[in-house]
Amino acid sequence: QKEVEQNSGPLSVPEGAIASLNCTYSDRGSQSFFWYRQYSGKSPELIMFIYSNGDKEDGRFTAQLNKASQYVSLLIRDSQPSDSATYLCAVNTFYNQGGKLIFGQGTELSVKP
Amino acid sequence: EAGVAQSPRYKIIEKRQSVAFWCNPISGHATLYWYQQILGQGPKLLIQFQNNGVVDDSQLPKDRFSAERLKGVDSTLKIQPAKLEDSAVYLCATAGGGETQYFGPGTRLLVL
Repeated sequence: QKEVEQNSGPLSVPEGAIASLNCTYSDRGSQSFFWYRQYSGKSPELIMFIYSNGDKEDGRFTAQLNKASQYVSLLIRDSQPSDSATYLCAVNTFYNQGGKLIFGQGTELSVKP
Repeated sequence: EAGVAQSPRYKIIEKRQSVAFWCNPISGHATLYWYQQILGQGPKLLIQFQNNGVVDDSQLPKDRFSAERLKGVDSTLKIQPAKLEDSAVYLCATAGGGETQYFGPGTRLLVL
């Protein structure tokens, strides 16, 4: 079993729709969870992170965490063509001490105009 | 604030040759990471430094890969000898005390 699993996609949504990206992880000791966006040929950039169960909103982005189910998701509202990228889920076992990120393989998102 | 700098941006070598990558972190960032990202996969941690000490190198193929961070600032990653399967993007990331990692632009390596 992979430590962090994502559907590789591609996930295709029309412009203006909600894109839902999902991630599961195997280590129950994981403490913090990150979503990175990576445009083709570019390096990953942080979108947001979440530590606690529930939802965390930042603009058009909402991260959702369910530690009991070992599941984290990212919702993108009002999707735009500029959101087309690969979204990487990453998990860190060490809370607020730096530490090692384990990345999923990424989900490719395509937003069609 | 300047970001993480990496060089070269692209490198093409033949198998069994050696290659070195360089990373300059964001000023003041004590933690430095080297990742390998193979096409279609997420980044995989190779080595983590805290200042000039190694924190984690469990996934570094030590028979061919080496890394150092002299004086706790710049870092170099070396591959010798290179294999075809080393073709990837090598990403350097740094962190300044929290968990957020900032990535450099990466070095694309093609081994022929």
